[in-house]
Amino acid sequence: QVTLKESGPVLVKPTETLTLTCTVSGFSLSNARMGVSWIRQPPGKALEWLAHIFSNDEKSYSTSLKSRLTISKDTSKSQVVLTMTNMDPVDTATYYCARGSSILSNWGQGTLVTVSS
Amino acid sequence: DIQMTQSPSSLSASVGDRVTITCRASQGISNSLAWYQQKPGKAPKLLLYAASRLESGVPSRFSGSGSGTDYTLTISSLQPEDFATYYCQQYYSTPLFGQGTKVEIK
Repeated sequence: QVTLKESGPVLVKPTETLTLTCTVSGFSLSNARMGVSWIRQPPGKALEWLAHIFSNDEKSYSTSLKSRLTISKDTSKSQVVLTMTNMDPVDTATYYCARGSSILSNWGQGTLVTVSS
Repeated sequence: DIQMTQSPSSLSASVGDRVTITCRASQGISNSLAWYQQKPGKAPKLLLYAASRLESGVPSRFSGSGSGTDYTLTISSLQPEDFATYYCQQYYSTPLFGQGTKVEIK
């Protein structure tokens, strides 16, 4: 059974760096052609794709957020980490990780991150 | 980046109705399109990919069609559990979601 679970702070202050962890089970991050993506959704708004990382460590980022995002993985821990710098209240959203780099077949439950002083 | 225009943004329908949602890409995406269903407070769920391929376990009342820049999600007979928000997503280039269509009870 494939599962993904996001973890990280529920509250961050403006200008701080957000670090989120996605812990996966039921598949290996070293599996050829398998990737993990991060997606976010501000309250009441649409989904926004952020980044993905492939099994060969190749990475891709949202054009508009590229300068603020870093994605990495620890295959031995089955974890994918996303960092976002210089957080702003407009970054308040539910952050999801999902299996896949294009077709997102399995999703975590999401974690709500609020940016506020 | 390829832009996605999804319409309508919302619709009201009754159980048993046929429902159609459209997604238009700013350039051709060669059927690299997925559809997701999201219920309130839940993560999105993959319904279809490659424009028309049904994900395992998804009811056959959901279908997809289209080519080039224009794609459609059809629910042949709306069921109570289908009231949700639907998103298209292109993966021809950097992935991008449409703005969503909320399907409400009439």
